[in-house]
Amino acid sequence: GIQVEQSPPDLILQEGANSTLRCNFSDSVNNLQWFHQNPWGQLINLFYIPSGTKQNGRLSATTVATERYSLLYISSSQTTDSGVYFCAVGGGSQGNLIFGKGTKLSVKP
Amino acid sequence: DSGVTQTPKHLITATGQRVTLRCSPRSGDLSVYWYQQSLDQGLQFLIQYYNGEERAKGNILERFSAQQFPDLHSELNLSSLELGDSALYFCASSEGPPNTGELFFGEGSRLTVL
Repeated sequence: GIQVEQSPPDLILQEGANSTLRCNFSDSVNNLQWFHQNPWGQLINLFYIPSGTKQNGRLSATTVATERYSLLYISSSQTTDSGVYFCAVGGGSQGNLIFGKGTKLSVKP
Repeated sequence: DSGVTQTPKHLITATGQRVTLRCSPRSGDLSVYWYQQSLDQGLQFLIQYYNGEERAKGNILERFSAQQFPDLHSELNLSSLELGDSALYFCASSEGPPNTGELFFGEGSRLTVL
């Protein structure tokens, strides 16, 4: 099956800093999503981005499907950005999303 | 609010018991997925249904079973519970057939087995 690797596994930032999270995947995909799991455990949809670039406020994402990676950019980070960011991919005959292990982000005031 | 409703939000039970987790998908969504997230673990896919039919199975134990009903809600049954079954169980839904379109997750059901 498809393998998903996220980096870095942990990230500590000062409020206001920018960051880039990476997701590598091992095979072609037709579904890629980024999620934020907040400290209460809720999974929040950030982007549905099997290819191309999208922006939503301080967050943006780019997926280069041909090179099998996706990037999530967080600018001017805030303490409320803390939590775990998951990349999940789906492709081929797999009817479900495969999740990476996540990047745990801590934003300090 | 994703539109996916899961009940109960929290559940505490004893080893050997059986519980049922319920999921109502977003209005119009035909696919339902179940995932398990154990402490400090990633999300593991359990099982998926599309319009009432099982479409894919992941790492689901034989003690666990699920179904999707004609009104499209789904239930996940966990039996002969063990301490290691303590986890956050998520339901997700999507509009179309498997692996098409965006998945939306409910808030999860947190199961504690004592």
